[in-house]
Amino acid sequence: DAKTTQPPSMDCAEGRAANLPCNHSTISGNEYVYWYRQIHSQGPQYIIHGLKNNETNEMASLIITEDRKSSTLILPHATLRDTAVYYCIVRVGAAGGGNKLTFGTGTQLKVEL
Amino acid sequence: DTGVSQDPRHKITKRGQNVTFRCDPISEHNRLYWYRQTLGQGPEFLTYFQNEAQLEKSRLLSDRFSAERPKGSFSTLEIQRTEQGDSAMYLCASSPTLAGELFFGEGSRLTVL
Repeated sequence: DAKTTQPPSMDCAEGRAANLPCNHSTISGNEYVYWYRQIHSQGPQYIIHGLKNNETNEMASLIITEDRKSSTLILPHATLRDTAVYYCIVRVGAAGGGNKLTFGTGTQLKVEL
Repeated sequence: DTGVSQDPRHKITKRGQNVTFRCDPISEHNRLYWYRQTLGQGPEFLTYFQNEAQLEKSRLLSDRFSAERPKGSFSTLEIQRTEQGDSAMYLCASSPTLAGELFFGEGSRLTVL
């Protein structure tokens, strides 16, 4: 699976959009971009995933660049409860041998008043 | 709550003792994963099962570690002759399909004195 690069930490004001970047310049054509987050002392939680089109769900939006070498997770109106470590993960799709995830160290997002 | 359940949540043991963790996945999820997480790091893959078959084991899983899923439902992770380096959070996750998202439990925290 391709490696990802994320900033170690970011701050965001409550109510503002949080934009979390991820670089995955070695991504292959059959690899998806996944985002999970981990709130302190809890297990990771799935947020969203995509292949090449932008995706949106009730939690967030995922913007993938046209060359697929980077992506941005957007939390449109961050709240204090969004304070967590956010992991960007790239992995092959179903045909690639399972959905084992390889986590990096992620981005610690701190949402403040 | 029908999420992934792990037991015990916390375990303190002395070096050299054996410990066992149990994971109850979401009902009908045929894939089950074990991860280990140390402070400041992302979760590291240990092993996974499809039904009762253990399909992959990480090199992190030394001979002192053994995992089972005897009837394709709950799973156990046993660590024999614990060492201080085994101190970590042990996370279990389950998934309904080959490509589905992973649902994580809240983890079992092990402290080896």
